[in-house]
Amino acid sequence: QSALTQPPSASGSPGQSVTISCTGTSSDVGGYNYVSWYQQHSDKAPKLMIYEVDKRPSGVPDRFSGSKSGNTASLTVSGLQAEDEADYYCVSYAGTNNFYVFGTGTTVTVL
Amino acid sequence: QVQLQESGPGLVQPSQTLSLICTVSSGSIISGGHYWSWIRQHPGKGLEWIGYIYYSGISYYNSSLKSRATISVDTSKNQFSLKLSSVTAADTAVYYCARVVVTYFDSWGQGTLVTVSS
Repeated sequence: QSALTQPPSASGSPGQSVTISCTGTSSDVGGYNYVSWYQQHSDKAPKLMIYEVDKRPSGVPDRFSGSKSGNTASLTVSGLQAEDEADYYCVSYAGTNNFYVFGTGTTVTVL
Repeated sequence: QVQLQESGPGLVQPSQTLSLICTVSSGSIISGGHYWSWIRQHPGKGLEWIGYIYYSGISYYNSSLKSRATISVDTSKNQFSLKLSSVTAADTAVYYCARVVVTYFDSWGQGTLVTVSS
């Protein structure tokens, strides 16, 4: 099972928006509405930011939003803040053969 | 909020078996709808799902590990564990335990670095 494809990096100035893409196949991203997104600060554990494409867990700011079209999911961070600088990973559930496929990761830099 | 904590040796010799334990607190490992998973992250790289277990003992694994991984559960201690056999330098990674809500990972341990070296 190949990893989901994410851009290696993305950046924006404080207050701007940044969108990260996550491209898979019809066997994972396109086949299920089960894409989740995780934020990982340096040397820290990943933190769930979005689940089931567009749902936010309690405590996650509404500046974070998710969407999906076909085989590509996206995470948008609006109103960028310094604390949003981190690595972001997408994950797609891929059924009972491959279970979970992770993205390659995107480093977001706040300029 | 459930908390997870990994523990185990930080150094394992090549060809030996890596053994880690995840202790669950502020929540029960016998909770319907949750699975308990191991995930690893190679240095400077992305994340890789290893496998998960249900409190009943049913487990599933990433086929890429070629049957080297075994996950077990001890409900009396509110713990689950990972054993990875025949390790090589390629198994050097930070190992995380996490709670699974079927399709996503909602709580993670802080991670533990395991280095495979003689």
